[in-house]
Amino acid sequence: AQKVTQAQTEISVVEKEDVTLDCVYETRDTTYYLFWYKQPPSGELVFLIRRNSFDEQNEISGRYSWNFQKSTSSFNFTITASQVVDSAVYFCALSEAPSGTYKYIFGTGTRLKVLA
Amino acid sequence: GAGVSQTPSNKVTEKGKYVELRCDPISGHTALYWYRQSLGQGPEFLIYFQGTGAADDSGLPNDRFFAVRPEGSVSTLKIQRTERGDSAVYLCASSLTPSTDTQYFGPGTRLTVL
Repeated sequence: AQKVTQAQTEISVVEKEDVTLDCVYETRDTTYYLFWYKQPPSGELVFLIRRNSFDEQNEISGRYSWNFQKSTSSFNFTITASQVVDSAVYFCALSEAPSGTYKYIFGTGTRLKVLA
Repeated sequence: GAGVSQTPSNKVTEKGKYVELRCDPISGHTALYWYRQSLGQGPEFLIYFQGTGAADDSGLPNDRFFAVRPEGSVSTLKIQRTERGDSAVYLCASSLTPSTDTQYFGPGTRLTVL
């Protein structure tokens, strides 16, 4: 069965620290997609990244980077030099292409608090 | 361009009443999804539309929940005989095509059933 686990419920860091948010997924399919979304206090889910199962290259976008490892079924997200504006709940999600629905299975989220 | 919009942003109703929640997807997006997010949880899938038809409604919790998308654009989620357990944020998302395209989410409707 498909499942996404975000074991870290809440993380607090001091501004400028690096922080890594963990995501572990379970799927029976070989073709799938992984996503990260940010949900700031305003509530709207903001898309950050989309990754397909055939592309294990790590990705960097500014202060954000993602580490995808199929061997451990993990898709971790690192914020370098965190800022107060990074404070939000971050969700990892899985979509299985063969399902025909393309619905997302979300983790329970990690609340990140960046303290000034 | 304009993102996904949802109205109302907040809805307070009494137990047993009927409610309608509206979603306006991004223009040109053919796939539309409804999710429900309870406090402290991730969003959970409810229903998926390809064009006008509901391609997958397996996430609807029971027959009090129903959704339509008559012209393949705006969608309405309808909840009959609301219960306190229906209180949650209802999120709508759309994607360009019914595929693995990225889903873009609206701001949600916070439903409170008293």
